[in-house]
Amino acid sequence: AQSVTQLGSHVSVSEGALVLLRCNYSSSVPPYLFWYVQYPNQGLQLLLKYTSAATLVKGINGFEAEFKKSETSFHLTKPSAHMSDAAEYFCAVIITGANSKLTFGKGITLSVRP
Amino acid sequence: DGGITQSPKYLFRKEGQNVTLSCEQNLNHDAMYWYRQDPGQGLRLIYYSQIVNDFQKGDIAEGYSVSREKKESFPLTVTSAQKNPTAFYLCASSRKGDTEAFFGQGTRLTVV
Repeated sequence: AQSVTQLGSHVSVSEGALVLLRCNYSSSVPPYLFWYVQYPNQGLQLLLKYTSAATLVKGINGFEAEFKKSETSFHLTKPSAHMSDAAEYFCAVIITGANSKLTFGKGITLSVRP
Repeated sequence: DGGITQSPKYLFRKEGQNVTLSCEQNLNHDAMYWYRQDPGQGLRLIYYSQIVNDFQKGDIAEGYSVSREKKESFPLTVTSAQKNPTAFYLCASSRKGDTEAFFGQGTRLTVV
């Protein structure tokens, strides 16, 4: 069975600072990995996805993530935080095949200080 | 515009009553999902369906039921057997073979 772990529930950065949100996965076969963002009382929006092509994946709003098989990680980064980045971020994993299901981490709330 | 529609956005029910949450998609997606979101617990999978007339239990299916009679519709019923039904419920869909999931705007259910 697959799973993801997002360490910590809250990250706070200053505007303009580097954003780093950590995600580690567990899977017996090569997974597909995703980062989603959620604003209050809304659904989830896809930021980026890894589907076994390039290991460095670029997404929307200046975010990117790097798949590292040796570390079983898929950390999300952004060089310079903006106030509008304040939201909740979820890492997710799926193993394709019969009865595949998308499994989410517990989420990390990102706060951006002026 | 293509997308996923969940209705209503807010729902209030008395304890002991069954309630059905609607989820409709016009993306021609084969797979549909229901998640429950509680503060600090992320998204937990309730039920999912890969094809019409077939669905599987997720991690927290007890007290919930679903049907998939049409490709575009995947309603979720929260029964009186669900001990703590107050939560934010999210529906999602994805193409078979393409694993990116698209989400609706959610339904916030409050049971009083």
